[in-house]
Amino acid sequence: EVQLVESGGGLVQPGRSMKLSCAASGFTFSNYGMAWVRQAPTKGLEWVATISYDGSSTYYRDSVKGRFTISRDNAKSTLYLQMNSLRSEDTATYYCTRCRLRRYFDYWGQGVMVTVSS
Amino acid sequence: DIRMTQSPASLSASLGETVNIECLASEDIYSDLAWYQQKPGKSPQLLIYNANSLQNGVPSRFSGSGSGTQYSLKINSLQSEDVATYFCQQYNNYPRTFGGGTKLELK
Repeated sequence: EVQLVESGGGLVQPGRSMKLSCAASGFTFSNYGMAWVRQAPTKGLEWVATISYDGSSTYYRDSVKGRFTISRDNAKSTLYLQMNSLRSEDTATYYCTRCRLRRYFDYWGQGVMVTVSS
Repeated sequence: DIRMTQSPASLSASLGETVNIECLASEDIYSDLAWYQQKPGKSPQLLIYNANSLQNGVPSRFSGSGSGTQYSLKINSLQSEDVATYFCQQYNNYPRTFGGGTKLELK
C-alpha cells in the first residue's frame, strides 16, 4: 500500500524558514517523480513544486521560486520542501504527492499544516 | 498560466441522479486533464487522468470526457459517499493549475 507521511509543519513567523519532510513507502520511491501541492484554508488546490525521479529536474510556481527548494533522498525514500522567507500567503496545508510522469498526482499524503504568522 | 474554470461552483443533487461537472481551460490542453475528489477533512484522491481514463479502484459510475478546452466529469447514479468537492487539473504546461472546485451536496 502506497503511503506518504508528511511532517515538519507548524507555526512560523514571517521571514523565517521551515523544512517539510515526506516519508514514502509501499512503492519504489526512486522510480517516481514527486510533488508538493498546497491548499490554503477553505480554498482550492495550488501546485507548488515537482521533482523528477532522480532529482535532476525541478519545477516551481513563480510565487515560490527562489524561496522554496524541493529535494529528495532516494536512499531514505524521503521528499523534502525547504521553505525560506515565508510569507503569510504561504499559510496552507501542504500535501506530498506521487507524480505520474511529472504530470498528475496519483497518491496524496494526509497533509501538514503550515501557518505563517507573527 | 492556463486558467481552469469549473462550473458550477456548487451543486445539489438527489441519490441516484446523474451529475455533470464542467471544466473549461483557457487554451487547448490536449486532454492533459485529471479529476480529483476531496471529501470533507480528507486529502484529494485521483479519479480520472488523460481526460477519460479511470484510476484503478475508482467506481465505474465516474467517467470523464472532453477535448481541446472543454472537459466534463460525469457521476452516474449518485451515492451518498460521493458528497465531496471535485477539482480538475491540467498538466499540459507549467505551472500545473487546478480549477476552483465544485462542491457536491445531497438534496
